[in-house]
Amino acid sequence: QKEVEQNSGPLSVPEGAIASLNCTYSDRGSQSFFWYRQYSGKSPELIMFIYSNGDKEDGRFTAQLNKASQYVSLLIRDSQPSDSATYLCAVSGFKTIFGAGTRLFVKA
Amino acid sequence: DAMVIQNPRYQVTQFGKPVTLSCSQTLNHNVMYWYQQKSSQAPKLLFHYYDKDFNNEADTPDNFQSRRPNTSFCFLDIRSPGLGDAAMYLCATSRDGGATYEQYFGPGTRLTVT
Repeated sequence: QKEVEQNSGPLSVPEGAIASLNCTYSDRGSQSFFWYRQYSGKSPELIMFIYSNGDKEDGRFTAQLNKASQYVSLLIRDSQPSDSATYLCAVSGFKTIFGAGTRLFVKA
Repeated sequence: DAMVIQNPRYQVTQFGKPVTLSCSQTLNHNVMYWYQQKSSQAPKLLFHYYDKDFNNEADTPDNFQSRRPNTSFCFLDIRSPGLGDAAMYLCATSRDGGATYEQYFGPGTRLTVT
């Protein structure tokens, strides 16, 4: 079992729709959870972080954390073609572990 | 603007020819990381420095070395690159080493081995 798992995708959504990206992790001691966006050929860019159970909203992005289920998700509302990228989930406890990412494609 | 800078952005080296990748930061962060990322894979942590303290990952090959001469700069040395070392090399920084500190990445160096 991988320490941080994400569906590789691609996840395809129409412009204006909600994109839902999911991530599960194995270490129950994990404390912090991060979402990074990575465009093809570029480096990861931090979008959001969340520490506590529940939802955290920042503009069109909402991170959701459920520690009991070891599950973290990222919702992107009003998806735009410019949101097309790979989204990496990172989970931090003793050290930070990255998932391999989910490719999102937003169709215009 | 405070940032993480990597040079060069693209590096071509020959099989077995040593290569050095550079990272600098103006964020004054304590921790600097080196990751290797291959296509469609997660970034793989090679090692990190907490201030001057070097922390190597158990599965990082001896072929990979690092130096941090001061707070701002960190170097990745690949002593004898093999074809399997072709990848994107990412430098990242964080303000401190605890779990709550997010990492900021430089633009990366794409390494090609011929």
